[in-house]
Amino acid sequence: QVQLQESGPGLVKPSETLSLTCAVSGYSISSGYYWGWIRQPPGKGLEWIGSIYHSGSTYYNPSLKSRVTISVDTSKNQFSLKLSSVTAADTAVYYCARDDAPLRYWGQGTLVTVSS
Amino acid sequence: DIQMTQSPSSLSASVGDRVTITCQASQDISNYLNWYQQKPGKAPKLLIYDASNLETGVPSRFSGSGSGTDFTFTISSLQPEDIATYYCQQYDNLKTFGQGTKLEIK
Repeated sequence: QVQLQESGPGLVKPSETLSLTCAVSGYSISSGYYWGWIRQPPGKGLEWIGSIYHSGSTYYNPSLKSRVTISVDTSKNQFSLKLSSVTAADTAVYYCARDDAPLRYWGQGTLVTVSS
Repeated sequence: DIQMTQSPSSLSASVGDRVTITCQASQDISNYLNWYQQKPGKAPKLLIYDASNLETGVPSRFSGSGSGTDFTFTISSLQPEDIATYYCQQYDNLKTFGQGTKLEIK
């Protein structure tokens, strides 16, 4: 059974970099599939951020591309998100997911608040 | 960028009703369209993939249809546990979600 778990600071200051990690269990990232990040501001809809393949190949939402870096660590079976120069508009629940093209397996999500 | 226009944004229906949600893509996306259900405080759950394929374990009252630019999601007989927000999502070019449809019980 594939399981994903997000972790990272729940509070980030404006202009700083948001960093989150997604630990995967029940499946080896090295075996395939893309792995992605999605976010949801409070009370709003879903926004896809980007995805990464186990080889390191990435594709990003053009609206966030200049600020986003997604990386993978196959030795730890996890992947990570960095979002730079954050503002209050980046406050959201951040989800990680296995990107089968459909987003079939999701983490429970973690709330990140941008505030001084 | 491909835009997804979902309607209605909210919907009130009675238990047992047939419920339909539509999703329109700004360009042809073939059948690269998925539907998700999200309950409050929970992660979205995949219900339908590739426009019309029912995800394993999902009740058969849920269905999807369409191709090209116009898609439909249907609940054949609404149950109380179906109260949630539903999203369409295209993956023909990157990924884009519709704005969501909040479904309530009348």
